[in-house]
Amino acid sequence: DQQVKQNSPSLSVQEGRISILNCDYTNSMFDYFLWYKKYPAEGPTFLISISSIKDKNEDGRFTVFLNKSAKHLSLHIVPSQPGDSAVYFCAAYYGGSQGNLIFGKGTKLSVKP
Amino acid sequence: SQTIHQWPATLVQPVGSPLSLECTVEGTSNPNLYWYRQAAGRGLQLLFYSVGIGQISSEVPQNLSASRPQDRQFILSSKKLLLSDSGFYLCAWSGGLAGPDTQYFGPGTRLTVL
Repeated sequence: DQQVKQNSPSLSVQEGRISILNCDYTNSMFDYFLWYKKYPAEGPTFLISISSIKDKNEDGRFTVFLNKSAKHLSLHIVPSQPGDSAVYFCAAYYGGSQGNLIFGKGTKLSVKP
Repeated sequence: SQTIHQWPATLVQPVGSPLSLECTVEGTSNPNLYWYRQAAGRGLQLLFYSVGIGQISSEVPQNLSASRPQDRQFILSSKKLLLSDSGFYLCAWSGGLAGPDTQYFGPGTRLTVL
């Protein structure tokens, strides 16, 4: 049973426009969410996180929105740049998981010049 | 600052051969350590995690094992590799804090079993 779902395996966006990556979760116990960016043949890089007590967190071009009632979060990248082209993983955590993160399967973002 | 190392970067092994992948972390003490696998077209699967020396928890049954002989060293092993063991293996660490704990990943090892 997949607790964290990224239903879009890929997304293509024009440079300068907004990229919106979506993530849904099923476990209402999750209280912390993270986004990672991964280039081929490299380890994932931590991007941004959000606690369940917030509904928005912003860091430069990256903003994460959390809708707890819908069990949905999204990552907005504005403006998108070709260097943003990578696979983005959503991950969730709850205290009972002993520090373990539950990852989605990822969304491949392609930003075209 | 903290850094995490993995080696080798790539590895090609025949079916039935043994495996040893090493991960070390610098710049932190008592980290939580994790082994993940990313198979082709799939997400990140947690294999093992460790909260201290000699303490290993397995998340999925398989022919792999993990050991933590030192505080900042985490080793992934197998006695006999299977074709299905091919994938990208990632080691990660976190601060071991109570509560939400961001994980930081190493560069990964690409394993191909032929």
